[in-house]
Amino acid sequence: QVQLVQSGAEVKKPGASVKVSCKASGYTFTNYAMHWVRQAPGQRLEWMGWINAGNGNTKYSQTFQGRVTITRDTSASTAYMELSGLRSEDTAIYYCTRELYGYIAFDIWGQGTMVTVSS
Amino acid sequence: EKVMTQSPATLSVSPGERATLSCRAGQSVGINLAWYQQKPGQAPRLLIYDASTRATGIPARFSGSGSGTDFSLTISSLQSEDFAVYYCQQYSGWPPWTFGQGTKVEIK
Repeated sequence: QVQLVQSGAEVKKPGASVKVSCKASGYTFTNYAMHWVRQAPGQRLEWMGWINAGNGNTKYSQTFQGRVTITRDTSASTAYMELSGLRSEDTAIYYCTRELYGYIAFDIWGQGTMVTVSS
Repeated sequence: EKVMTQSPATLSVSPGERATLSCRAGQSVGINLAWYQQKPGQAPRLLIYDASTRATGIPARFSGSGSGTDFSLTISSLQSEDFAVYYCQQYSGWPPWTFGQGTKVEIK
């Protein structure tokens, strides 16, 4: 079946970086865009950026510009999200999510990766 | 950035009753609107896209309507598994794609 499986929880110190992976299976990875969305405790979902898994083109939210990098490895059907300069406000669950073909809605979601930033 | 506002924050409904949730955009998003359901400890689940099209496998009791700035999600007869938080999301024009703050549907 179609699924996205993310890497495990992370605990980081302020100023550090974190890299979260998202392995896709059950579909042709390069045919769909992959987005990253985060959810801080008690907050709304927040879109971070996307990657065209076919050609590697990316687009990021201005909120994270300069701190976030999304990449992919087509041979491994895996997308990655790296966030640098971590601060306590970055404590959140990070989701990868597949874009519904032809629409910028998100039909398949990873299970989420909890990232905790604490000194 | 297009701001999305949902109301009410919490909706108390008895099983079998109808629930109507609202989502308002700060500027027109056409029909470029999706709805998601999220249960505790789970990722969101796509229910509706293009304002009124049900996603694959979504029961017919879920329906969406609206265009421009005002949208609604209706659950015609609430089942026990429908008690959750619901989010709207716009995808009009250019990013960032933004979400509402959510409506929690709880058991009355």
